[in-house]
Amino acid sequence: NAGVTQTPKFRVLKTGQSMTLLCAQDMNHEYMYWYRQDPGMGLRLIHYSVGEGTTAKGEVPDGYNVSRLKKQNFLLGLESAAPSQTSVYFCASSYGTGAWETQYFGPGTRLLVL
Amino acid sequence: SQQGEEDPQALSIQEGENATMNCSYKTSINNLQWYRQNSGRGLVHLILIRSNEREKHSGRLRVTLDTSKKSSSLLITASRAADTASYFCATARGNNNDMRFGAGTRLTVKP
Repeated sequence: NAGVTQTPKFRVLKTGQSMTLLCAQDMNHEYMYWYRQDPGMGLRLIHYSVGEGTTAKGEVPDGYNVSRLKKQNFLLGLESAAPSQTSVYFCASSYGTGAWETQYFGPGTRLLVL
Repeated sequence: SQQGEEDPQALSIQEGENATMNCSYKTSINNLQWYRQNSGRGLVHLILIRSNEREKHSGRLRVTLDTSKKSSSLLITASRAADTASYFCATARGNNNDMRFGAGTRLTVKP
């Protein structure tokens, strides 16, 4: 099992450009999450999904959109990238509710917005 | 806003010593989790302690929870160089999917 994988591993964008980050999991988990991690800070939840076709906002959703068309995939989109979105993005998945179940994390995507 | 706050921010010890990290939080919780992050990697779940539990063990890890003080501690006994990592506490608020992580404690174990 690959667990949670993220594509791409690293990306450089210019301000105003758009991109999509892909998260895939092969554990048949219902719940999936997108976090961002900035230097010296913990993870902050951007969006999450409790099942195929559902999404919900987390702590810092502005500037991002998500989609969960397939159970195994969770996409994070940046429509118009800004330097403030320079960060490391982590995807995670869990069998059940995040507070009660182990979250499994991907290796991260480093994004630099110039 | 961060729910959990770890203390200290950084800790450096010799191999074989014990390492203690603390986490304080602000609102009532159902449970609290600890995660480890090796440099440049994703987080790995270590342990979950429920609000009605006071202490939990897993191998060399010992976690305590004091809901009256809104604090938790993570003890790593007989530390090894491989324990070098950042450690985060995480709590859930609201609908229990909105997880909040602290800024972490960076542990360095010198061989």
